[in-house]
Amino acid sequence: DAGVIQSPRHEVTEMGQEVTLRCKPISGHNSLFWYRQTMMRGLELLIYFNNNVPIDDSGMPEDRFSAKMPNASFSTLKIQPSEPRDSAVYFCASSPTAARAEAFFGQGTRLTVV
Amino acid sequence: GENVEQHPSTLSVQEGDSAVIKCTYSDSASNYFPWYKQELGKRPQLIIDIRSNVGEKKDQRIAVTLNKTAKHFSLHITETQPEDSAVYFCAASSDSWGKLQFGAGTQVVVTP
Repeated sequence: DAGVIQSPRHEVTEMGQEVTLRCKPISGHNSLFWYRQTMMRGLELLIYFNNNVPIDDSGMPEDRFSAKMPNASFSTLKIQPSEPRDSAVYFCASSPTAARAEAFFGQGTRLTVV
Repeated sequence: GENVEQHPSTLSVQEGDSAVIKCTYSDSASNYFPWYKQELGKRPQLIIDIRSNVGEKKDQRIAVTLNKTAKHFSLHITETQPEDSAVYFCAASSDSWGKLQFGAGTQVVVTP
C-alpha cells in the first residue's frame, strides 16, 4: 500500500480564497483523522471519522472549516474563506480500527495564506 | 478530555548516551500510548507503542515504560546516534474510536 496520500503537498493562496485539502486513507482503514500542526499549538486534532461518519468535530476552529468523507477512500478538508492564521501543515491520518488505534500519517499539506 | 504533558521540550545528548522523554496523562481510562518521531519537514511516524495491560516494551534501541498508577509513560533511547535527532511526540488514547491526544513534543539533538 502507498500509505496515506494527501494533495496538494504545498498550497499558497490569498486571503479570502477557498482552499480544499484532499486525503486518501490506507485501504481497509476505518478511521480517518485531520490534524493541524503549528509551532505555537503543536499537533491539534480537528475532526475524525469512523466508517465515513464524523464522530467528533469539536477541534474545528471555526465555521470556516468543514470536512467531508463521501466514501471510504476519500476525504476533504475545506477552508472558506481562508485567513493568514490558517497557515500551517495539515496532516491526514488513518488507523485500521477503533480497537487498533495505530495512526499512520500522510505527508501533509503545507498551507500558506498570504 | 485527555490532557498529555511532555518533558523536556528540548534534549541534547552526546552520541552513544541515552535519552529519556517523559509524559503524563490525565484520563485514567486511557489505554493506548504511542510514540511518534518526526524529522524536519516530514510526517510523524509511529516508532513504538504500548497498551495499558503491559508495563514495558522494547524494540532494539528504544523502549517504552508505562506506570498506570502514576499515569505516566516514558520513552528510552539507548546508544543514541545522529539519525535519532528529531522531534518525538507522545500520545494517549482513551477514546473508543482511536482518537489520540498528543504531547507538545521533544526536540532531541544528538551531537557526534
